[in-house]
Amino acid sequence: QKEVEQDPGPLSVPEGAIVSLNCTYSNSAFQYFMWYRQYSRKGPELLMYTYSSGNKEDGRFTAQVDKSSKYISLFIRDSQPSDSATYLCAMKGNYGGSQGNLIFGKGTKLSVKP
Amino acid sequence: NAGVTQTPKFQVLKTGQSMTLQCAQDMNHNSMYWYRQDPGMGLRLIYYSASEGTTDKGEVPNGYNVSRLNKREFSLRLESAAPSQTSVYFCASSLFQDTQYFGPGTRLTVL
Repeated sequence: QKEVEQDPGPLSVPEGAIVSLNCTYSNSAFQYFMWYRQYSRKGPELLMYTYSSGNKEDGRFTAQVDKSSKYISLFIRDSQPSDSATYLCAMKGNYGGSQGNLIFGKGTKLSVKP
Repeated sequence: NAGVTQTPKFQVLKTGQSMTLQCAQDMNHNSMYWYRQDPGMGLRLIYYSASEGTTDKGEVPNGYNVSRLNKREFSLRLESAAPSQTSVYFCASSLFQDTQYFGPGTRLTVL
């Protein structure tokens, strides 16, 4: 089992839909959880950052962490065509050295149709 | 602030040629990283530098070398390029080993 699993999609939704993107993980020591957005032919950009469990909201985006289930989600409300991108989850534990780097999911490709 | 910059943006090499990918950050970050991204494989860490003066192997270091030239700059060298190294290369930096900020990438083709 890989440390971080993410459905690659593609996921296609109509404009205005609520989108749910998810990752599961196996390492219970993970404490820091991030979502990156990557537009085609661009570098990943940080979208959301959450420490430990709970929810975090930023405009139309909500990040949710359920440590008991080892499951994280990103919700996009009122999705727009400009949200069409690949979304990568990333996470790490509270340590340094070779164990201190982010572990990335492979990304879910989202397409929002007008 | 320019953030993380990478040069070149595109490069075509022949098998056996060498080249160096340059990366610089102006955020006073301590840690820097080199990744490659291939379809279906996600981001794979090649090398990282947790702090100035240190470098360590990541998941896929074979065929690559790195130099942390100073706190701002981290270069990636391909000594003898192979077609398997055709990829998109991203440099990233973080204050410590935490939230990473990525550059725009270098698209490399090895013929």
